[in-house]
Amino acid sequence: SAELTQDPAVSVALGQTVRITCQGDSLRSYYTSWYQQRPGQAPILVLYGKNNRPSGIPDRFSGSSSGNTASLTITGAQAEDEADYYCNSRDSRGNHVLFGGGTKLTVL
Amino acid sequence: QVKLQQWGAGLLKPSETLSLTCAVDGGSFSGYYWSWIRQPPGKGLEWIGEISHNEDPNYNPFLANRATISVGASKSQFSLWLSSVTAADTAVYYCARGGSRWYIDLWGQGTLVAVSS
Repeated sequence: SAELTQDPAVSVALGQTVRITCQGDSLRSYYTSWYQQRPGQAPILVLYGKNNRPSGIPDRFSGSSSGNTASLTITGAQAEDEADYYCNSRDSRGNHVLFGGGTKLTVL
Repeated sequence: QVKLQQWGAGLLKPSETLSLTCAVDGGSFSGYYWSWIRQPPGKGLEWIGEISHNEDPNYNPFLANRATISVGASKSQFSLWLSSVTAADTAVYYCARGGSRWYIDLWGQGTLVAVSS
């Protein structure tokens, strides 16, 4: 199906590691990108391609993929990482852009 | 530093046509994919469609019969029209740049469009 599925909410203790996942059939064939969105702001790109970070994104953000699941891992979560995270790819034919439903990350 | 500046009417009545424009400030237009994406209040991101300098527009199948995206004559702007709006079209609308087909590396500031009678 042409969908990307994310857990609605995840929490992590300050300084600990958290993994946010994204599932979809098309992820078997295509890379996933990840976006962070803080309240009232536009999303920003945090990961793309195999495991690439745009300039300015801390190296505590990393990505991986296996089968139909892509993951965003934050190693040593900080308070400023509390935000909504969205995954993004294309449908199985590579035509249409897809977004996951988003995961709200809470840093405790 | 490249920026996307977007503008358009923020309040519409049902059945009217939404019209938004996005200007690329400080960068090239060619070689990228230019998208419109929306986000209803409290909800997730929804892709509306995209256009590139050398390809036909490509739309979300759920909106294809109402959405039109085109490039301006100056080739540094692109626009979205969404016809026959309803309250369900109330959202923050973002223009965005695709660094490739696989990721979006630049977003506009967003425009809140409300549809209400």
